[in-house]
This record gives sequence, structure tokens and C-alpha cells, in this order.
Amino acid sequence: QVQLQESGPGLVRPSETLSLTCSVSGGSITNNYWNWFRQTPGKGLEWIGHIYNSGSTNYNPSLNSRLSMSVDTSKNDFSLRLSSVTAADTAVYYCARSIVTSDNFVMDVWGQGTTVSVSS
Amino acid sequence: DIQMTQSPSSLSASVGDRVTITCRASQSIGKYLNWYQHKPGKAPKVLISGATRLQGGVPSRFSGGGSETDFTLTISTLQPEDFATYFCQQSYSIPWTLGQGTKVEIK
Repeated sequence: QVQLQESGPGLVRPSETLSLTCSVSGGSITNNYWNWFRQTPGKGLEWIGHIYNSGSTNYNPSLNSRLSMSVDTSKNDFSLRLSSVTAADTAVYYCARSIVTSDNFVMDVWGQGTTVSVSS
Repeated sequence: DIQMTQSPSSLSASVGDRVTITCRASQSIGKYLNWYQHKPGKAPKVLISGATRLQGGVPSRFSGGGSETDFTLTISTLQPEDFATYFCQQSYSIPWTLGQGTKVEIK
């Protein structure tokens, strides 16, 4: 079955760019929506945004100005870039696949999450 | 953004108990509501989609109800493997938003 694995640096300096990749195994990255979520300490999960394999995206407006997502179909992975990070971006970041049934976007496969700390 | 409010934020229960978690949306979302289970260090798992549809492989002791603004997740007979955090997610409008989670602990 499809499995997802996040990867990237665990520590990012303030004002720099956070870059994460989610590798998709056991299935193709085509014809699905691919999401990023994060969970900050003591808070619930926040949806960051999603990308379709065609490259079309929807981002959370709260992060839109700093956010970029991309898909690499040759590597079967997708990526997140969040610029100008601050301590408020310290979180566990998750990638997830969503399937659409009757217009309902359901996250049916998730990664285990990767912790990113923003600190000098 | 649609705000999703879960209650309670945590609860203590015993094996065999019936547990109900509620999720309230700040506006009507029809049945665009999904429930997930999350255990520490593991990937979240979808339990219920479309408010009431049990996902394949999920035990029948889990059930979902509600529509529009008020939703419930019920575990009819709590099992040891059910101790986890549960959260709801709306897919009515972007940005998708999620409840803050309900942690189910052992009494």
C-alpha cells in the first residue's frame, strides 16, 4: 500500500527557508492531492496546503505569502518550502494524501511526521 | 475560516466504556466531516469520512453521526488499542481546518 515519508533538516535558522520532501512509495504520485500539515507544540493540527500532480496548488491563506509546493513525478515525491521562518514555525510537519469522494477530501494516508525546530 | 471545536479536550475512560466525542463547526458544512485517530509517533489514521462512513478495516465499534454543524464520534466499547488522540477535519471549504483534538486516556 502507499506509504509516505517526510525528510528534511530538523533545525532551521530564523529568517531562512524550511524545505521538506515527502517520498511516496507503493504507488504513483499521479492523480491525487498531496498535502502538508503541521502541529505546533500544545496546539492542534493545521493544514498548510496541497498540490495536485499537475502542479496546481491551494495554500492556507495564513501562510500563502511564504509558501511554495512542488511535485517531482520522476522521483515520486513532493516538497514544501516555507520562507522567512520564525520560532512560530517550529512544529511537527506531516505529509498526507487526500482522496476525493463525493467532493469530500479525505486524508487517507499520512506520514509519521518530522520535527522541525527554528532556532539560532 | 471555518472553526472546528472539539469537546472534551481530554477524557479518562476504562476499557469497555462507551465514549462520545463531539465536533462543532462554526458554520454549516453539510457532511464534509472526517474523523482521525492519532497515536504518538505514528501516522494519523482516518476512521470516518463524510460524517458517517466507516473506512475499510476500521472496527465497527467506531461510528460517526451528525450533519451541518454538530458531529459525534462514538466508540461503543472502548478497547486498549483505542487510547489515542482523535480529531475532526472539515473539507467543506479551503482552508481545511481541524479540531484541536481529544485525548482519550486510561482511567
